[in-house]
Amino acid sequence: NAGVTQTPKFQVLKTGQSMTLQCAQDMNHEYMSWYRQDPGMGLRLIHYSVGAGITDQGEVPNGYNVSRSTTEDFPLRLLSAAPSQTSVYFCAVRRTGWDEQFFGPGTRLTVL
Amino acid sequence: QQQVKQSPQSLIVQKGGISIINCAYENTAFDYFPWYQQFPGKGPALLIAIRPDVSEKKEGRFTISFNKSAKQFSLHIMDSQPGDSATYFCAASKGNQGGKLIFGQGTELSVKP
Repeated sequence: NAGVTQTPKFQVLKTGQSMTLQCAQDMNHEYMSWYRQDPGMGLRLIHYSVGAGITDQGEVPNGYNVSRSTTEDFPLRLLSAAPSQTSVYFCAVRRTGWDEQFFGPGTRLTVL
Repeated sequence: QQQVKQSPQSLIVQKGGISIINCAYENTAFDYFPWYQQFPGKGPALLIAIRPDVSEKKEGRFTISFNKSAKQFSLHIMDSQPGDSATYFCAASKGNQGGKLIFGQGTELSVKP
């Protein structure tokens, strides 16, 4: 089992470009979320989903878009990248009724 | 507004020593307090967690101490080893929002041989 996979591992964008960060899981967990990690700020929740077709905003949702059409996938879209979105992005999954969240390996994004 | 404050930012400990990392929270509705360990280039992984109905939880060399009245909790790593060198994050969440973790700023631990 791969667990939680994220692609790409690294990405460099120019300001204004768009892209999608991919997150996939084979754990069949209902809950999926996206966090960004910045130095000195820990991890902050961007968006989350409690199941297919259901998404909601976290602490820092501005500039990001999500959708959840299947249990397995939860892509994060940047419609018009800004330098402030330079960060490491982590996807996490959790089984409903359980506390533990399992994090993917991350995507390091640089916006020039 | 930082709902979970973590200190210190960095910590250097000799092999065999005790590493102590502290966190303070503001929201009394929080009822789940995990610690995550992160190695360079990897995602965070759950190390140990506690709920406020107990004051201490121990798993091997790792112990969480919880003080509900002071709204503080801490991670103690006994007999620290070079392999423990990593970044540690405390976090908190509310009961029905278990997936919405609020993280502390992180502590970079270095254990010197």
